[in-house]
Amino acid sequence: DSGVTQTPKHLITATGQRVTLRCSPRSGDLSVYWYQQSLDQGLQFLIQYYNGEERAKGNILERFSAQQFPDLHSELNLSSLELGDSALYFCASSEGADYNSPLHFGNGTRLTVT
Amino acid sequence: GENVEQHPSTLSVQEGDSAVIKCTYSDSASNYFPWYKQELGKGPQLIIDIRSNVGEKKDQRIAVTLNKTAKHFSLHITETQPEDSAVYFCAACAFNDYKLSFGAGTTVTVRA
Repeated sequence: DSGVTQTPKHLITATGQRVTLRCSPRSGDLSVYWYQQSLDQGLQFLIQYYNGEERAKGNILERFSAQQFPDLHSELNLSSLELGDSALYFCASSEGADYNSPLHFGNGTRLTVT
Repeated sequence: GENVEQHPSTLSVQEGDSAVIKCTYSDSASNYFPWYKQELGKGPQLIIDIRSNVGEKKDQRIAVTLNKTAKHFSLHITETQPEDSAVYFCAACAFNDYKLSFGAGTTVTVRA
């Protein structure tokens, strides 16, 4: 068990809808990362937060947004959903702000857009 | 940005044999190279990592080697066991970067 908790485990929704994915990092970790995993794109970095502030942005669509709250949990909001957004969404956490401290992944949220 | 290529995409080995997965990277500034194992229904789990000031690192049956000149690194699993069956990902990152770039993954199957 990595100590990173993601909810829900599964999410099925229709095109055009909006969903929120939640992540609780490991105790003591200040960084939260969001990754998208799809069959044809592999693991793609979306965004990173460190101690409540956005630290780095990857290939995150404008329809997607995220935030990290004072208690360090994070939420990833996906709106105007399209069929192509169906994927596994992983949250990872680390102690520091960069890769000097290893990433620990949660078990993901499987999103299915119908 | 960094581009990581991973080979092979699938690997089938007999229990007790060794498995080797190879990765190449493009950004010479990359200096951190972790390997992750992903089992079905779970997130990637860090199994070993290596930094650019080290050429080889070993942890029990797992070892990683790094050749910075050639920009490639490899994962070696010895005495494979059925529980080693999983998808393995390599990744690379530069010191002043914040995102890991992952390879496409290798599905390893250990035959009993």
